[in-house]
Amino acid sequence: DTEVTQTPKHLVMGMTNKKSLKCEQHMGHRAMYWYKQKAKKPPELMFVYSYEKLSINESVPSRFSPECPNSSLLNLHLHALQPEDSALYLCASSHLFPAFGNTIYFGEGSWLTVV
Amino acid sequence: AQKITQTQPGMFVQEKEAVTLDCTYDTSDPSYGLFWYKQPSSGEMIFLIYQGSYDQQNATEGRYSLNFQKARKSANLVISASQLGDSAMYFCAMLDYGGSQGNLIFGKGTKLSVKP
Repeated sequence: DTEVTQTPKHLVMGMTNKKSLKCEQHMGHRAMYWYKQKAKKPPELMFVYSYEKLSINESVPSRFSPECPNSSLLNLHLHALQPEDSALYLCASSHLFPAFGNTIYFGEGSWLTVV
Repeated sequence: AQKITQTQPGMFVQEKEAVTLDCTYDTSDPSYGLFWYKQPSSGEMIFLIYQGSYDQQNATEGRYSLNFQKARKSANLVISASQLGDSAMYFCAMLDYGGSQGNLIFGKGTKLSVKP
């Protein structure tokens, strides 16, 4: 069983809605990640938080807004999304960032559909 | 640039038989880590096995083993005694401690189907 928990599992939202994806881990990890995965493609990195500070933003549009309230929680706030943003959003964590010699664990993902 | 290549888009294996999923990588950094993940249709990305570039022995985790051939830059995943539940997409990934700034570089994946 994964120790990275994501909610909701499925989300359908309109282009004018504001919603959030949530991620939680209780492994004591200090690095947390958001990935986006389109159908039949590998995951692509969006954001990395290390010690609750944003370390990497892979030029993600501002309609995606990450937040790390504490070392166990990671949110992704969604606003004014486009249908092409429909994808599987994966949260991950590792002991440290960069994850030198340690494993990056992923959650179950949140399936997002923008209508 | 760092790169991961998985040349098998799809594979079939008979239940209870062993299967090898290919992965080759390209990096100029001597320090790197190699990962294999399993992704069922449900979407969860499940960690299977890890191999560090300085590890002397091939990694093993239960029915999974990693055939690490450093000179050939290959890191093939071997699944022994395949089970129906092994049907999934499998991703090889590399963490290059120098060039990728801590980002996992994924291959395109191999879809494994286990036949009863």
